[in-house]
Amino acid sequence: EDQVTQSPEALRLQEGESSSLNCSYTVSGLRGLFWYRQDPGKGPEFLFTLYSAGEEKEKERLKATLTKKESFLHITAPKPEDSATYLCAVQAGRSGSRLTFGEGTQLTVNP
Amino acid sequence: DAGVTQSPTHLIKTRGQQVTLRCSPKSGHDTVSWYQQALGQGPQFIFQYYEEEERQRGNFPDRFSGHQFPNYSSELNVNALLLGDSALYLCASRGSGSTDTQYFGPGTRLTVL
Repeated sequence: EDQVTQSPEALRLQEGESSSLNCSYTVSGLRGLFWYRQDPGKGPEFLFTLYSAGEEKEKERLKATLTKKESFLHITAPKPEDSATYLCAVQAGRSGSRLTFGEGTQLTVNP
Repeated sequence: DAGVTQSPTHLIKTRGQQVTLRCSPKSGHDTVSWYQQALGQGPQFIFQYYEEEERQRGNFPDRFSGHQFPNYSSELNVNALLLGDSALYLCASRGSGSTDTQYFGPGTRLTVL
């Protein structure tokens, strides 16, 4: 069974204080790892897709990396508008295109 | 370019009733998936539709059923509602490539009293 564990559950940062979110996964035949951002009461917003170990992708203050067992979402000099829940999901080879999500990390950035 | 749209935004039902939720995929997408997200949890896969057929199903009872129309839009039906069905129901669409990114709609908040 595919499993995704995200840590920490919640993270409070001061504006400008860089940090990383972790996504550990157990999956048979990873086809893709996805990061989404979700604001309260809204649908997840796509951020990144990573396909193979060693791959990195960046967008503004966010950078996602992938190893064979985990992914990190690095947030550099965050701003209050980066406050949201960040969700990690995996797509496994034998599971078709279904996504298995973690529980998310709730990020709060204080001004 | 319109993204994924869902209706209604909010819905309140009572136990035992039936509900239908609707989804229009992003332009150019032909595959629609439905997810259930309970408060404070990650989304859980319900099922996926492609070419008007259910292609994959998650661990949900038969009370949950769906349909896809020729224009790729989709419906999620839930019968005999339980209190535990209260959740945010998300629709996601993608192209037909196996690793195409899934884009989510804003969701429908269902409350069962």
